[in-house]
Amino acid sequence: AQSVAQPEDQVNVAEGNPLTVKCTYSVSGNPYLFWYVQYPNRGLQFLLKYITGDNLVKGSYGFEAEFNKSQTSFHLKKPSALVSDSALYFCAVRVSAGGSYIPTFGRGTSLIVHP
Amino acid sequence: SQTIHQWPATLVQPVGSPLSLECTVEGTSNPNLYWYRQAAGRGLQLLFYSVGIGQISSEVPQNLSASRPQDRQFILSSKKLLLSDSGFYLCASQDDYEQYFGPGTRLTVT
Repeated sequence: AQSVAQPEDQVNVAEGNPLTVKCTYSVSGNPYLFWYVQYPNRGLQFLLKYITGDNLVKGSYGFEAEFNKSQTSFHLKKPSALVSDSALYFCAVRVSAGGSYIPTFGRGTSLIVHP
Repeated sequence: SQTIHQWPATLVQPVGSPLSLECTVEGTSNPNLYWYRQAAGRGLQLLFYSVGIGQISSEVPQNLSASRPQDRQFILSSKKLLLSDSGFYLCASQDDYEQYFGPGTRLTVT
């Protein structure tokens, strides 16, 4: 079985400050990890993924995420938040081999960046 | 990269009426296709997925059904809508790794 936890329903940050959106996962085997962003009344957009290799992954719009195997975490980060980053963020996981190719999504974290 | 088309963008239907939502995919061949429902702008509920033409797997028993008549076409249907079918419906396509999502259909059942 695989699961994802996004422990914060909402994250508030001031514009210009660093932001972190947390994600922890559980999977039997090596994980593929993903972050997506959703703006109101839109579909999800892919931000970044961890497949293998370097634990620090860089993605779209200045976002990055660090894969931490010992803590089973994949937190999303950005050094300086913009008001336009305000959106709903989803973490997803699936096992890399020997299991379902269907990803499991977290419940989502609403990021609000204040001017 | 892939492009996912969904229509209509919004739909208001009375209880008991039929439903047909269509999704088409560009930029790939033989993708895995998915239908999700999102209630209240939050978590995604996987409804159906397909690994090929005519191959449909259902994740949640309900009055909805799905079909894949062509490689890059995925249709969500219902014979009689319920109030509880209201929500935001998303189609997604997947190759090796990440998923690509369509713009969604906002369905309101009245």
